[in-house]
Amino acid sequence: KNEVEQSPQNLTAQEGEFITINCSYSVGISALHWLQQHPGGGIVSLFMLSSGKKKHGRLIATINIQEKHSSLHITASHPRDSAVYICAVRSLSGGNNRLAFGKGNQVVVIP
Amino acid sequence: DTEVTQTPKHLVMGMTNKKSLKCEQHMGHRAMYWYKQKAKKPPELMFVYSYEKLSINESVPSRFSPECPNSSLLNLHLHALQPEDSALYLCASSLDGYGYTFGSGTRLTVV
Repeated sequence: KNEVEQSPQNLTAQEGEFITINCSYSVGISALHWLQQHPGGGIVSLFMLSSGKKKHGRLIATINIQEKHSSLHITASHPRDSAVYICAVRSLSGGNNRLAFGKGNQVVVIP
Repeated sequence: DTEVTQTPKHLVMGMTNKKSLKCEQHMGHRAMYWYKQKAKKPPELMFVYSYEKLSINESVPSRFSPECPNSSLLNLHLHALQPEDSALYLCASSLDGYGYTFGSGTRLTVV
């Protein structure tokens, strides 16, 4: 079983809708990352979380350490939000320089 | 400067060629990484340099040879690659395992 599980695997939304994607992990972590990758493109780091909640523009990321769960919310979604969103964790046992990656959430926002 | 710059963006090489991928950052990050990403898959860690020393080699075939000439530069030398090595090669850097910044990648095609 993968250390990091993401759901839903695929999500399609109408422009303007509120979107939530989820990440669950099975190990103790020191940090969790939300990453964005557009088709054929490189990776952009959106958030690094170790507790609580962070907000940047229309994106909000939350983490519940006790439940080993994180969510990424996109408010007022736009077609440019169409991308793969990857959750990655820095586990306590994996060493300082290893990330465990989920398989990603494919998000498509239709105009 | 808050970027990781990778060159070239695209590379097509024959199986007998020798080529190099380059990665540069000027954020003072002391950890630098090479990842390989196949289509619709999460990135796979290849190598980690920490303070200019190779700290992780994920059993990568010797046809891939990393080099870290200084704290800002990371190279990946390629020789005698196979078609299955075609992928997106991503460079990343971090402040000792936190706050990752990824480059936009080199799309490699081996013919």
